Amino acid sequence: QKEVEQDPGPLSVPEGAIVSLNCTYSNSAFQYFMWYRQYSRKGPELLMYTYSSGNKEDGRFTAQVDKSSKYISLFIRDSQPSDSATYLCAMTLSGGYNKLIFGAGTRLAVHP
Amino acid sequence: GAVVSQHPSWVICKSGTSVKIECRSLDFQATTMFWYRQFPKQSLMLMATSNEGSKATYEQGVEKDKFLINHASLTLSTLTVTSAHPEDSSFYICSAREGEGIPYEQYFGPGTRLTVT
Repeated sequence: QKEVEQDPGPLSVPEGAIVSLNCTYSNSAFQYFMWYRQYSRKGPELLMYTYSSGNKEDGRFTAQVDKSSKYISLFIRDSQPSDSATYLCAMTLSGGYNKLIFGAGTRLAVHP
Repeated sequence: GAVVSQHPSWVICKSGTSVKIECRSLDFQATTMFWYRQFPKQSLMLMATSNEGSKATYEQGVEKDKFLINHASLTLSTLTVTSAHPEDSSFYICSAREGEGIPYEQYFGPGTRLTVT
């Protein structure tokens, strides 16, 4: 079993839709939860991060962490064609030198 | 924001040759750099972690003698794929972190696409 599971999609939605992206994980010791956006043939860029449980909002993006269920989500409101990319979840233990464990990434396509 | 560059962005080499990929932190000093490998439609897999001035720490299953990593300065790390074969064709991405940073303060380069013919 992989430490982090993420449905690779692809997910296709119309412009303006609310998008829900999810990951599950097995290691209850993970403390930091990140979402990265990766455009085709580019490196990942950090979208949001959350420490421990709870919600965090940044513009059209909301990240949720439910540690009891080992489940994290990223919601994108009013999706735009420019949001079309692969979204990767990543998580790690507490402490500066722990490596990031990535999900497989979900490919999202937002069509006009 | 922190910027990490990689060079080259795309390289094609013949089987049996070696290729070097550079990773530079442009506006900060990276005490730690990471090298990842990404196959099409798959996630990033950490290959190794390097700290400036010391030997790299390789992940299980990664051949040290094949993937040579050098982190000679606080702004430059190199990955050399030695005796490359077609199965080494992949997207290689580096990331860099300044100091004993918070985990998410890891900045990624744009990646290098390696094709071995």
